[in-house]
This record gives sequence, C-alpha cells and structure tokens, in this order.
Amino acid sequence: RKEVEQDPGPFNVPEGATVAFNCTYSNSASQSFFWYRQDCRKEPKLLMSVYSSGNEDGRFTAQLNRASQYISLLIRDSKLSDSATYLCVVRYNRKLIWGLGTSLAVNP
Amino acid sequence: EPEVTQTPSHQVTQMGQEVILRCVPISNHLYFYWYRQILGQKVEFLVSFYNNEISEKSEIFDDQFSVERPDGSNFTLKIRSTKLEDSAMYFCASSQPGLVGSGELFFGEGSRLTVL
Repeated sequence: RKEVEQDPGPFNVPEGATVAFNCTYSNSASQSFFWYRQDCRKEPKLLMSVYSSGNEDGRFTAQLNRASQYISLLIRDSKLSDSATYLCVVRYNRKLIWGLGTSLAVNP
Repeated sequence: EPEVTQTPSHQVTQMGQEVILRCVPISNHLYFYWYRQILGQKVEFLVSFYNNEISEKSEIFDDQFSVERPDGSNFTLKIRSTKLEDSAMYFCASSQPGLVGSGELFFGEGSRLTVL
C-alpha cells in the first residue's frame, strides 16, 4: 500500500460545482495532515491543515477520519482559478510524505 | 511578503557534470529542505537541514548529493556527477522553528534541471 494515496483524476467540473477529493494514508501513527495546492509547473503552497474535528476555510472544507486513515477536501462553488493539482500531505515525526496529487480542471 | 528564492530557474547540463542549485530561504526560518519532482510524478523529499547539519535524508539523497550553508543566507544542493534520472524540478523550502504540528513549508519557485 502506498504511504499516501490519491486518485490522480483529472476531475473536470463546471464552474459552480462542488467537488470532493479523497486521500488515504498507510501509517496509523501519522500526526498531522495537510492539503497543498500546486499549479502547473509551480511550487506547492499550503492550502489548509486538516484537523480531527474537521475545518473550513471559505469554500474549502477538510475532514479527517483517523480510524479509516482517510482525509478529504471539499470545494464548493468551484471557480476557474481553483484549477490546479491538490496534494495530500501527511506528517510523521518531522517527515512530510506527499501524495501524487489530484488534478482538477474547472471549466467555464 | 518574504519568499524563498532559487537560482537558476533552469539549468541544462551534460551527464557526469557537477551542478549546484542555490536557494535563499526566508531569513528567520531555521529549517531548510530540498525536494524534487520528476515531471508527472510526486514531490519527493531529499534532505532537511537544521543547525548547520543534515537532520534527515531520504534514500534518494545518496553520495552524489550534498548540501551546504556556506554563509548566513544561501543553502545549496550539489549533485556531483549528474545522471539522466536526475532531471527534475528541485524545490527548496524553509520553515519556522519546530515542524511539530505544522506542515507549512514555504517553497521556492524551483530549479528545473535537465541532464542530457
């Protein structure tokens, strides 16, 4: 099983749609969880941390299920500018383990 | 807004040549990292650096690789004898003291290395 696994997509959605990405991780002792965003040929940037109770930042909602070792990201009312690759990142001690990313294309 | 800067943005080199990639981390950050991303593949950890020494390195970071902080601002990655499979985007990143609980790394825009 891969350390961090994501559906690579691509997800093609119309503007205004709601889209959800999932991520699973193999190490049950993982301590922190994050979603990063990476635009084509650019550097990754932190989108949001993922907390056990779930957290929301505007149109973005992140959820964590430790029992199932599963993380999700929900984007509501998607914008053209949301088109990017979304990377699931898991921390164990001081090491960050990156998923391959899920590609999202929001179409007009 | 403070940022991580990297040079060169793109370097083309012949197989077997030495390459040095340079990074200037954010000034008050104390942890520094190199990652690489082969085209179409995931971001891979190479090495982390703290207090003037390597704190962790991956299996990729073999004897061909070295890092250095030659002065108070630069953080360099050297590849001694490049191989075709070293072709990738190399990202430098830095973070605030203490990664515990925090996954926020600030990345530079990357240095694209092409080995011919």
